Amino acid sequence: DAGVIQSPRHEVTEMGQEVTLRCKPISGHNSLFWYRQTMMRGLELLIYFNNNVPIDDSGMPEDRFSAKMPNASFSTLKIQPSEPRDSAVYFCASSQVGGTEAFFGQGTRLTVV
Amino acid sequence: QKEVEQNSGPLSVPEGAIASLNCTYSDRGSQSFFWYRQYSGKSPELIMSIYSNGDKEDGRFTAQLNKASQYVSLLIRDSQPSDSATYLCAVNTYGTYKYIFGTGTRLKVLA
Repeated sequence: DAGVIQSPRHEVTEMGQEVTLRCKPISGHNSLFWYRQTMMRGLELLIYFNNNVPIDDSGMPEDRFSAKMPNASFSTLKIQPSEPRDSAVYFCASSQVGGTEAFFGQGTRLTVV
Repeated sequence: QKEVEQNSGPLSVPEGAIASLNCTYSDRGSQSFFWYRQYSGKSPELIMSIYSNGDKEDGRFTAQLNKASQYVSLLIRDSQPSDSATYLCAVNTYGTYKYIFGTGTRLKVLA
């Protein structure tokens, strides 16, 4: 299996622009997670889906962030408008069943200038 | 109190020694426990999972779980310079699907 695939790997954008991050989970995995990692706060869970349904979005920092999972093989995380404090590495992870082993994608390094 | 706590380190050990990494968690309902290794600039890589009290061994790695003390640890035997990385502890609570991570312990293995 190719593992969790994220795109783009790097994104540099100007403040105020819309940013869309993409994730393809491992085939057959039912749970998908979006995390943000910064030096100051470590790995923070933003939102997770089970069977394409958002279960808990309490980690989404504010209304500028939104996430969708239209089908079992694709998810997006959108930031609109982006701000410099959104600069971080964003990871997507998936697991076969909730509570079992989760595997991470390579991440998207977002820089907002 | 943070949900998952780890000493940030760095923990420095000489090559060939045993490295001991520790993690405590606050939710007694936690059921699944994981250790991830993260090299600088890379994504977290799963190295061990443990679900019941006691020890679980996989090669040079041993995970230890004590639910009564809310404590999970990772031992790395015969540490190598290539083990130098940040080790993240993750906890999953029964009935939820989310994995909560500690801030990680940076390990340095000195050649």
